[in-house]
Amino acid sequence: EAGVTQFPSHSVIEKGQTVTLRCDPISGHDNLYWYRRVMGKEIKFLLHFVKESKQDESGMPNNRFLAERTGGTYSTLKVQPAELEDSGVYFCASSQATGRSRSSDTQYFGPGTRLTVL
Amino acid sequence: GQSLEQPSEVTAVEGAIVQINCTYQTSGFYGLSWYQQHDGGAPTFLSYNALDGLEETGRFSSFLSRSDSYGYLLLQELQMKDSASYFCAVNSGGGFKTIFGAGTRLFVKA
Repeated sequence: EAGVTQFPSHSVIEKGQTVTLRCDPISGHDNLYWYRRVMGKEIKFLLHFVKESKQDESGMPNNRFLAERTGGTYSTLKVQPAELEDSGVYFCASSQATGRSRSSDTQYFGPGTRLTVL
Repeated sequence: GQSLEQPSEVTAVEGAIVQINCTYQTSGFYGLSWYQQHDGGAPTFLSYNALDGLEETGRFSSFLSRSDSYGYLLLQELQMKDSASYFCAVNSGGGFKTIFGAGTRLFVKA
């Protein structure tokens, strides 16, 4: 079974440009999460999709970040315009929903996209 | 605010036992998870505690005390391949939102 995949693995852009990150979750996983890790700091929650709906986007830094999940399958995270402080590794994770009572759902992480904004 | 505290670095020798502590302060708590991340790799799930006590999985064990808002990851019979970053994480916000600590960098020496 294929794991969570992310594209691209690396992206180097200039301040003010636009970048779109893609995540393909494990097939059949309803839950999809985006996280960001700035070097040496915590893995910070950005948002959570259940199928195509945004369940929780409380971690999104500002309105320069836009996440979508078309048809409840893959997800994209767009940063427009990018700023220097957006640099970091963006992780996507997915989990299989079996009901809200199962809070121990294991999250499977993708390899991340390393974004560098110059 | 919500926060998790864990040591930034731990060094141990091969074959030894190491304990990585984690204290947390979060609004809402459903359980404490531990993840391992090797350099350049994806975080991988190690263990989960929803109830107080010790959970054992091979060489790794995880402990939780909800009354103390405290948990730890215990790694036994350390191997060089255990050198990695270890993150504690709290499931909150309905059980699906996960708050991570800053990670503990474990160095295993020969």
